[in-house]
Formats: sequence, structure tokens, C-alpha cells
Amino acid sequence: DTGVSQDPRHKITKRGQNVTFRCDPISEHNRLYWYRQTLGQGPEFLTYFQNEAQLEKSRLLSDRFSAERPKGSFSTLEIQRTEQGDSAMYLCASSQTGEGNTEAFFGQGTRLTVV
Amino acid sequence: RKEVEQDPGPFNVPEGATVAFNCTYSNSASQSFFWYRQDCRKEPKLLMSVYSSGNEDGRFTAQLNRASQYISLLIRDSKLSDSATYLCVVGGTGGFKTIFGAGTRLFVKA
Repeated sequence: DTGVSQDPRHKITKRGQNVTFRCDPISEHNRLYWYRQTLGQGPEFLTYFQNEAQLEKSRLLSDRFSAERPKGSFSTLEIQRTEQGDSAMYLCASSQTGEGNTEAFFGQGTRLTVV
Repeated sequence: RKEVEQDPGPFNVPEGATVAFNCTYSNSASQSFFWYRQDCRKEPKLLMSVYSSGNEDGRFTAQLNRASQYISLLIRDSKLSDSATYLCVVGGTGGFKTIFGAGTRLFVKA
């Protein structure tokens, strides 16, 4: 399978614990996005990378959230001291910049439940 | 103002109906535009790109008005299988990130 893959698919954690999610993009894609989606809403932008550089981080993202893409390939999203409000689907997407179609392809997401 | 705004929905239509979704975006320098479809508890998937000249794919027609910063999607002869959430998407090239609207839910009923 050469699509975007995310791990784990589901995560249940206790409030206050740290969690880390991984995303493996399509190999030739230089852009990688993280989004958060709650029920009835569209994907909300969190942050994105072009190669290994983090170009932007949403102002809605607290300091408890951090993302890395150390070698410009896979990325991790860490949430420290989780809160119940962090419960959501975390989606990763990748795309290739340049001329023509810049379609973003999504992984199946990681569903986080904070109890 | 949100960067991408869509009709709130939901839209409830009978099979065979024509339905139109509207979307506006705030960044006049945006270069790429898309409509994505998202089925319940699934990831979003590209439905079609939107070009300035407008484009059609079977029963689906997308239009872009750069002057008004407005994007539309028209679905003709609705099918039960069209029931989903339709997401308006802007950006993704050059210095722009990919931004999604909140989505419009469509229910097509027999």
C-alpha cells in the first residue's frame, strides 16, 4: 500500500497522559499536514511541513502540541498532558507542490479518546 | 472571518434532484481549489479540482469566480450514493497551506 498511513488507528488515554501519533506520507510528497476533526466539522488545520521544515502552526494549537518531521519523511504529532477536549480524529495528509494537481491525500486518521 | 466558509446545511433532497453548494474564501491570492467528499467515519477524498474555466465530471460541475472569491459545486440527478459531506478546499501550492471548509452534509432520499 503506497498511500498515507497513520498509526495507531485508535488511542484511548487517561487525562494528563502524553500521546504520540505517527504519519507516513506518500513517499514522493514534500508536504505533510496535520488536521483535527470533531463530529460535524471539517478538518481543522493544525500544522504543516514542507520537507523537514515546519512552515506554520495554527494559533489554535496550544503549547501542549508539538509536531516533527525530522528527515522530511514520516512525521509525529505529540500531545502532552492530554485533556478531554483533545478527543478528536487526527488526520494526516500529504501532497506534492508544483504545477498541476496538488491534491492532498489523507490517511485514515487516528481517533483519540481522552477519558 | 473564516478562511473558507460553506453553506451550513444539511441539504435533504429527493433522488433525481439538482443541488448546489456554495463556498467563499478570504485569501484573494489563493491558487488551488478543490471539492472533497467525506463519507461517515472515513477520511476525505478528492471529488474534483476547480478551475477558472469551470469543469464538469459526469453529474458534477464545479465553478470558480475569482473576482467574488466564490466556488460552487452542482450535482445533477442526485443518487442515494451521493449522500455524504462535501468539503470546499482552498490553497495548497506556493506559500499557501490547504484549508478546509466546515463541510455541507447532503442527504439524498428515495
